[in-house]
Amino acid sequence: QVQLQESGPGLVKPSQTLSLTCTVSGGSINSASYYWSWIRQAPEKGLEWIGYLYYTGSTNYNPSLNSRVTMSLDTSTNQFSLKLNSVTTADTAVYFCARGYCTTSSCQLYYFDYWGRGTRVSVSS
Amino acid sequence: DIVMTQSPLSLPVTPGESASISCRSSQSLLRSDGNNYLDWYLQKPGQSPQLLIYLGSNRASGVPDRFSGSGSGGSGTDFTLKISRVESEDVGVYYCMQALQTPITFGQGTRLEIK
Repeated sequence: QVQLQESGPGLVKPSQTLSLTCTVSGGSINSASYYWSWIRQAPEKGLEWIGYLYYTGSTNYNPSLNSRVTMSLDTSTNQFSLKLNSVTTADTAVYFCARGYCTTSSCQLYYFDYWGRGTRVSVSS
Repeated sequence: DIVMTQSPLSLPVTPGESASISCRSSQSLLRSDGNNYLDWYLQKPGQSPQLLIYLGSNRASGVPDRFSGSGSGGSGTDFTLKISRVESEDVGVYYCMQALQTPITFGQGTRLEIK
């Protein structure tokens, strides 16, 4: 059974960098069939896709956050990570990591089938 | 960006009755392969979202057949999630999501509650 688990600081100061890691178990991130994604949910709000990365290291970010986001993966530890810099209170949210299934031919995303439980990050001085 | 609009935003339902949620996209989600790239997720209270329906009408593994998804008229912009015989365990917020193009976008969510 595939499991994803987010980890990282629960409190970040404004203007600093938010850093989170997602540990994947029960399956390898070194696979052509999946995108590894970050999605967040501000308090009492809906879901916002932050971006995803592929096993090759290629990335695709939401343009609304593009200039502040960096994602990377580490196949040796089966983890992938998110860095969001210059955070403000608007970045306070529950951050989910998720696995996106895609077709192998062109890797068109189909759906997100496994999600972590989410980690709450507050931005406050 | 593709804008996803759900209605209603709140849905009180009597147990045993059926419920429907509508989702409309600002652009067609129909791809050249014939699939509509529209998914439905349920976020139960205190949990992460779980996949219910993918590619418009395909139930995810383990999802009861009380849940069904459809698209109307072949436009690729209008979709419906139907829940037959609503149960107390169906409570939560339902989201539609388009997977056709980045940025991936979600509807605002529909909160289903039991009357």
